[in-house]
Amino acid sequence: DAGVTQSPTHLIKTRGQQVTLRCSPISGHKSVSWYQQVLGQGPQFIFQYYEKEERGRGNFPDRFSARQFPNYSSELNVNALLLGDSALYLCASSLVPDYSNQPQHFGDGTRLSIL
Amino acid sequence: TQLLEQSPQFLSIQEGENLTVYCNSSSVFSSLQWYRQEPGEGPVLLVTVVTGGEVKKLKRLTFQFGDARKDSSLHITAAQPGDTGLYLCALMTGTASKLTFGTGTRLQVTL
Repeated sequence: DAGVTQSPTHLIKTRGQQVTLRCSPISGHKSVSWYQQVLGQGPQFIFQYYEKEERGRGNFPDRFSARQFPNYSSELNVNALLLGDSALYLCASSLVPDYSNQPQHFGDGTRLSIL
Repeated sequence: TQLLEQSPQFLSIQEGENLTVYCNSSSVFSSLQWYRQEPGEGPVLLVTVVTGGEVKKLKRLTFQFGDARKDSSLHITAAQPGDTGLYLCALMTGTASKLTFGTGTRLQVTL
């Protein structure tokens, strides 16, 4: 079975541009979460979506937004890119949003570089 | 905000050596997960520890949850080059269902 897939794998943008990252969860998984991992640090939670509704939001500015589609895939959008947005963006999926009983599966991420 | 501190930050050892990495918090946590992240890949769940004092083994990896539920350790016996990677501990926050990750320990095992 296919795991969590993310596209693109690498992306280079310049300051002020906008970017859209895509995530397809494991088949049957309805919960998708997004994390930002800056080089040398652990991932930081950005958003969680379940059944197309936002269920959680981390401490990120309004330039960051996301949505989930009827097929449970998800997009993360970042506007007005800053140099500090350079990071690995990870998507994770699970059957349900309660991670205490359901393991979370991560994709390999999109490496975003801002010039 | 509950913070997780991991130590050491970096560790470079030779094949066959033993090592321990630590994950500490100033607050009590209900459960904790350990992940390994290899270069160019996403984190992969190794184990979830729930009960204070709990010890879990996964082949050459031994995970321990402190009695006071404020710390955890990961011990690797006879490290191999395949153990190379970033080891992350993470808390689950039940209501928000999000993971809060530690700062990570980067392990390099050489021949």
